[in-house]
Amino acid sequence: DAGVIQSPRHEVTEMGQEVTLRCKPISGHNSLFWYRQTMMRGLELLIYFNNNVPIDDSGMPEDRFSAKMPNASFSTLKIQPSEPRDSAVYFCASSFSGSQPQHFGDGTRLSIL
Amino acid sequence: KNEVEQSPQNLTAQEGEFITINCSYSVGISALHWLQQHPGGGIVSLFMLSSGKKKHGRLIATINIQEKHSSLHITASHPRDSAVYICAGLYNTDKLIFGTGTRLQVFP
Repeated sequence: DAGVIQSPRHEVTEMGQEVTLRCKPISGHNSLFWYRQTMMRGLELLIYFNNNVPIDDSGMPEDRFSAKMPNASFSTLKIQPSEPRDSAVYFCASSFSGSQPQHFGDGTRLSIL
Repeated sequence: KNEVEQSPQNLTAQEGEFITINCSYSVGISALHWLQQHPGGGIVSLFMLSSGKKKHGRLIATINIQEKHSSLHITASHPRDSAVYICAGLYNTDKLIFGTGTRLQVFP
């Protein structure tokens, strides 16, 4: 069984560039979560979707961040324009429902220079 | 404010020792997750519990709802148990609020 698949695994780009992170949840899972992990703040929820609909985006830092889930098998997290303080590891996770154990992808390590 | 607090922040142990990591949480949290993050960065869900106790191999998780406290125990610890262990409270049935993690190192 394939787990949650994230791409790319690593991204290094210059500030001001657009960054798109991708996630394919486990088939059949209807909840999808985007998290950010930094040394200073640990793991933080950015946004989550249920049945492809954004339910809570209160964790999205600012308007430079946007997330979409056009269908049950794909989601993107976009940062435009990127800034050095966006450097972090971004995790995607999915579950059968919000109250079930979450399965995490391997993360995308993002470095903004 | 919904909070999850973990202790200790760092823990070292000799192989074979019994290990306990503690987690306290605030009102409004309906279940507790325990996660493991290895040095490579991947995160694995170990347990989700809202009452009682769960066991998987050498790992045991307990929760006391009245005291709003959960513990993760590792029996007969092994160097491969070295990782960061994170507790996370489930708030509002679907949002996870994370503790700061406990970095465990088990030496042979």
